[in-house]
Amino acid sequence: QVQLQESGPGLVKPSQTLSLTCTVSGGSISSGSYYWSWIRQPAGKGLEWIGRIYTSGSTNYNPSLKSRVTISVDTSKNQFSLKLSSVTAADTAVYYCARGEMATIGVRAFDIWGQGTMVTVSS
Amino acid sequence: EIVLTQSPGTLSLSPGERATLSCRASQSVSSSYLAWYQQKPGQAPRLLIYGASSRATGIPDRFSGSGSGTDFTLTISRLEPEDFAVYYCQHLWAFGGGTKVEIK
Repeated sequence: QVQLQESGPGLVKPSQTLSLTCTVSGGSISSGSYYWSWIRQPAGKGLEWIGRIYTSGSTNYNPSLKSRVTISVDTSKNQFSLKLSSVTAADTAVYYCARGEMATIGVRAFDIWGQGTMVTVSS
Repeated sequence: EIVLTQSPGTLSLSPGERATLSCRASQSVSSSYLAWYQQKPGQAPRLLIYGASSRATGIPDRFSGSGSGTDFTLTISRLEPEDFAVYYCQHLWAFGGGTKVEIK
């Protein structure tokens, strides 16, 4: 079965760029109709969708983060990645990658999630 | 932008009791795009319900979803010890704030 695994630095300095990668195993990132998303969760708080990519390279971002977010995909490595620039302490959170089932007007549901990776923004 | 409001914030119940969780959308949404998730401490969210009322693979039938338009409900018919967790609703790219179901 398909599994997702996040990887990347757990500590990022303020004003720098947060970079994470999600590796898809057990299936091809290019098969099926799925959006590949990043979602984050600050400690003790709710879930915030960051953005998504389709394997064609088409992206869509949360308007509140759009100016700082870039999501890319590398189908040869079965991976997709997140870059979040100019980070502050407010970006400290657990970051999840997730697979979303594509439907006519957007994602129907996120059916597979990575285990999450904690990223702390601190000097 | 659609906002999802979940209530109550916390639900204190005993094992064996029925739990009723609410998710209200700021405008009418298609039930085909309403999902519910369960999250336990230190774990990723798990998909429970999609399309407002369809259980995801492996989800016990004590979990059920209903609703349409702006009002949706997740019902847990008889709480098991493993059901005490936080529950989120989701529509497209928006998540509700969550309801914590805690042991009374």
